[in-house]
Amino acid sequence: QLQLQESGPGLVKPSETLSLTCTVSGGSISSSSYYWGWIRQPPGKGLEWIGSIYYSGSTYYNPSLKSRVTISVDTSKNQFSLKLSSVTAADTAVYYCASEVDVFDYWGQGTLVTVSS
Amino acid sequence: EIVLTQSPATLSLSPGERATLSCRASQSVSSYLAWYQQKPGQAPRLLIYDASNRATGIPARFSGSGSGTDFTLTISSLEPEDFAVYYCQQRSNWPLITFGQGTRLEIK
Repeated sequence: QLQLQESGPGLVKPSETLSLTCTVSGGSISSSSYYWGWIRQPPGKGLEWIGSIYYSGSTYYNPSLKSRVTISVDTSKNQFSLKLSSVTAADTAVYYCASEVDVFDYWGQGTLVTVSS
Repeated sequence: EIVLTQSPATLSLSPGERATLSCRASQSVSSYLAWYQQKPGQAPRLLIYDASNRATGIPARFSGSGSGTDFTLTISSLEPEDFAVYYCQQRSNWPLITFGQGTRLEIK
């Protein structure tokens, strides 16, 4: 069974870049069965898909965030990563990574990232 | 962008009752509709995929139906652990994915 774990700073300053990593265990990130996605949830609000990546490096982003998002994969470490640039308070959220087979079947526990000076 | 609208926003019921949650799409998503359950402080859990297929380990009291633009998640007899927030999600225009705004199922 897949397990995913997010890691990264819990506090980011406005205008800076948010960086998170998701480590996958219990399976290979190079599996042809999966895409790997990032989803976020502002406090008390709903879910927002940020983007997804295939092990080959193909990426797909939410159009509303596309100009600020970069998702990358490191198959040697079984990890994929999220970078979100020029953050504001509106980017404060719990960030989840998940495995994606058209739906998100395995999720990390989530990590709260607060944007504040 | 396909917009998913869930109703009601909040549903108040008692254990043992039947829950019916709705998700309406702004355009047809065929059967490419999933449902998730989220409890406080936890990640969402996949319940239903492709409108009516239960995910692994999901109890039979959860069922999904619908196609096109109108979908329903039914919980036949509520257990105490079922009180949570439920989200629908479409993949019709994959890879662009959208979620509904959620329905909070609370104890009456």
